[in-house]
Amino acid sequence: QQQVKQSPQSLIVQKGGISIINCAYENTAFDYFPWYQQFPGKGPALLIAIRPDVSEKKEGRFTISFNKSAKQFSLHIMDSQPGDSATYFCAASYYGNKLVFGAGTILRVKS
Amino acid sequence: GAGVSQTPSNKVTEKGKYVELRCDPISGHTALYWYRQSLGQGPEFLIYFQGTGAADDSGLPNDRFFAVRPEGSVSTLKIQRTERGDSAVYLCASRPGPSYNEQFFGPGTRLTVL
Repeated sequence: QQQVKQSPQSLIVQKGGISIINCAYENTAFDYFPWYQQFPGKGPALLIAIRPDVSEKKEGRFTISFNKSAKQFSLHIMDSQPGDSATYFCAASYYGNKLVFGAGTILRVKS
Repeated sequence: GAGVSQTPSNKVTEKGKYVELRCDPISGHTALYWYRQSLGQGPEFLIYFQGTGAADDSGLPNDRFFAVRPEGSVSTLKIQRTERGDSAVYLCASRPGPSYNEQFFGPGTRLTVL
């Protein structure tokens, strides 16, 4: 019940295209859903996050879509750029406790 | 401002040795977390401090792992009798306080046990 399942494992997108990464969770107690971006040799960096009372949140080229009834959320990267090439992790937590992470998606944006 | 810092950035040790990994959280952050990230996987929770006390240590894999945060700021993760399976990147994160959800990660310590 603590798992967060993430797909796809890897993704190749053309420059200017839309990258879409999906996550699903089981624990309905989760109340915070962040996305992290990680470059090789670096720690995860918080990209964008959403609470379950909102269905969508947009920050620049990054959008989270949240479907509470389906227990799914996704990250959309618009106008993907080569500099977006990284590993992306979805995560979930409740009441500020530990983050439960997905397995990660390796994104490569081809120029 | 300064982010979360971790030292050392790399640690190579031999099987059976003792190691200490240090985390300096963002100044003023009351919550501190340790995670472990194996190659090609997402970070896995180890332990969470709120102030000086461990609020949740359910992720520590066994009694060889121990962490302290004596003054509510810097934390040290201690691993006794290291095993090759302990090789991973150990990540520290801090959170401003009870009213916030955001966790900010440090660069990690890469531990290699030979």
